[in-house]
Amino acid sequence: GENVEQHPSTLSVQEGDSAVIKCTYSDSASNYFPWYKQELGKRPQLIIDIRSNVGEKKDQRIAVTLNKTAKHFSLHITETQPEDSAVYFCAASISGGYQKVTFGIGTKLQVIP
Amino acid sequence: GAGVSQSPSNKVTEKGKDVELRCDPISGHTALYWYRQSLGQGLEFLIYFQGNSAPDKSGLPSDRFSAERTGGSVSTLTIQRTQQEDSAVYLCASSLRGGGVREPQYFGPGTRLLVL
Repeated sequence: GENVEQHPSTLSVQEGDSAVIKCTYSDSASNYFPWYKQELGKRPQLIIDIRSNVGEKKDQRIAVTLNKTAKHFSLHITETQPEDSAVYFCAASISGGYQKVTFGIGTKLQVIP
Repeated sequence: GAGVSQSPSNKVTEKGKDVELRCDPISGHTALYWYRQSLGQGLEFLIYFQGNSAPDKSGLPSDRFSAERTGGSVSTLTIQRTQQEDSAVYLCASSLRGGGVREPQYFGPGTRLLVL
């Protein structure tokens, strides 16, 4: 089955700096890669996703890049703000397939004002 | 529209008792997941339902855990003879499956289970 590794497990950055979270996956058939943000005491929520037919996707201060050959994808947050502090989860799945979504272990991001 | 709902929001039980947790997915979503999240930990996959296919139960930690999904909609996660280590937040999520369709998971608010 699919295996998703995520690092770092914790990340502290100064407000205004950039943050990068990296994930690797094992199943070359995976073609859908969502990222979820979970604030303290709240449910995970989708913040951005990418399909394997594109290499990069941006939404304001967040972007995701995908390298299919290397089987890794990354989340980039620029101009970080205190409200970006949360746990971020990457995931991989096969769009339309039966296989379940596989999550990374999560990265706890702390933005220091 | 209505999102994923779960009930109860909190449950306190005594060790050895059985508990039932309920999940109402978004209408029309064919995929339903149960996860367990202990304090400060990641998402531990428990079970996955996809349409009428046999569920993927590979994440259930023991035979005390079981889940059903009736009529392809509401799901119930049952924990028998609860143990203190079962204390966690149990999250349900649903997604719309289908080729070429954006398929994020939508999570419910979770049920906080405390076993005394």
